[in-house]
Amino acid sequence: EAGVAQSPRYKIIEKRQSVAFWCNPISGHATLYWYQQILGQGPKLLIQFQNNGVVDDSQLPKDRFSAERLKGVDSTLKIQPAKLEDSAVYLCASSLVWGYEQYFGPGTRLTVT
Amino acid sequence: AQSVTQLDSQVPVFEEAPVELRCNYSSSVSVYLFWYVQYPNQGLQLLLKYLSGSTLVKGINGFEAEFNKSQTSFHLRKPSVHISDTAEYFCAVSELFSGTYKYIFGTGTRLKVLA
Repeated sequence: EAGVAQSPRYKIIEKRQSVAFWCNPISGHATLYWYQQILGQGPKLLIQFQNNGVVDDSQLPKDRFSAERLKGVDSTLKIQPAKLEDSAVYLCASSLVWGYEQYFGPGTRLTVT
Repeated sequence: AQSVTQLDSQVPVFEEAPVELRCNYSSSVSVYLFWYVQYPNQGLQLLLKYLSGSTLVKGINGFEAEFNKSQTSFHLRKPSVHISDTAEYFCAVSELFSGTYKYIFGTGTRLKVLA
């Protein structure tokens, strides 16, 4: 069974530029999550989807972050414009049963200069 | 859960010695509990989970954890560690809040196994 795929693995941009991350969850997993992990901290949930609907985006900075999950499969997280404090690893995860264990991708390391 | 606390940010331990990584949480409702491991430059991998039933759960790589409802704790243990166990360990809690599952991670404990 293929795991959660993410791309790119690394990205370096300048502040005020835009960036997008892509995630493809495990086949059949209805729930998809995006996390931000700042160095030395635990993952922080940004947004979660059930199929292609948003069920919680209370911690997503909506003035600059957006996410979509078209057709209930893969998802894209976008930052526009980026700030220095957005430097972090962005993790995507999926789960078969909502609320149960999650399966994580390798993450995208974003550096904003 | 309103918070998940991992009191130890770093735990050094000699190879073949036992180890316990502590996790406490605050919540007024029923929760699901998890431990994940993160190796350098990788995503998180599930070690073990508590959903219901027996409070002692066993996971991969010889790890186990015990759910203590009265103390709201879910400590992770291994009787004999190996060099390869060196990694970051995260405790996580999932709780149903206003019809939505909220997933909260602790800040992590860095386990360093010494030869």
